[in-house]
Amino acid sequence: GQNIDQPTEMTATEGAIVQINCTYQTSGFNGLFWYQQHAGEAPTFLSYNVLDGLEEKGRFSSFLSRSKGYSYLLLKELQMKDSASYLCAVEDSNYQLIWGAGTKLIIKP
Amino acid sequence: IAGITQAPTSQILAAGRRMTLRCTQDMRHNAMYWYRQDLGLGLRLIHYSNTAGTTGKGEVPDGYSVSRANTDDFPLTLASAVPSQTSVYFCASSGGEDTGELFFGEGSRLTVL
Repeated sequence: GQNIDQPTEMTATEGAIVQINCTYQTSGFNGLFWYQQHAGEAPTFLSYNVLDGLEEKGRFSSFLSRSKGYSYLLLKELQMKDSASYLCAVEDSNYQLIWGAGTKLIIKP
Repeated sequence: IAGITQAPTSQILAAGRRMTLRCTQDMRHNAMYWYRQDLGLGLRLIHYSNTAGTTGKGEVPDGYSVSRANTDDFPLTLASAVPSQTSVYFCASSGGEDTGELFFGEGSRLTVL
C-alpha cells in the first residue's frame, strides 16, 4: 500500500530552527509537496521537490532524497505565526496525491 | 480577489437528508478536486475532474456525487447523508503552475446527526 509518515506533533521555541521529517512509500514518484495549514483554515502551498536536494525559499527549505523515500521541511528563525500543521504529500505514478496526516507544530515563546 | 469559494462554510443536517456543497473558482483552472479532512488522517480525495464535462472517483467516493457542467463550478452532493460523513470538506483546483500546486477553498464543516 501507499504510505506517508510524519510526526504527529512537534514543539519548538520562537527564534529556533525545526526540521519536520516525512518518509514515503508510494507507487512511483512524480513530486513531493509541503503545505501549511493553520487551525480552521485551508492548506496553502509551501514547496515542491521533484529532484534530490535542497530547495530554499526564505525561512523555509525543503529537502528530498528519492532513493531514501525521505523529505524534510526546515523552518528557520521560528515565529509564533509558524504555529500550524504541516502536510506532506507525494504525487504517485498516476499523478494522484497521497497525503500524510500532518505534523502539528507548536511554537513556544 | 481570485480564488475558490465554498458554500456553506458550516452546516448541520439530519441523517438521510440530501446536501450539496458548492464550489466555484475564477482562476480558469481545468482540474478541480473534493477532499475530506478528518482528525488524524490525511486529506482523502473524494472525486475529481480534470476538465469540464469529465469527473473521476477518488479514494473515498461512496455516498458522494459530483458534476462539472462548466470550468468554474464543481458541486459535491451527498444524496442521503450519514453520520460518518461528518467532516471538513475542501474543494481545490490546479492548473497553469509548473509545480501543480493546489489552491484550496476555505472549507465546509459538515455535521450529520
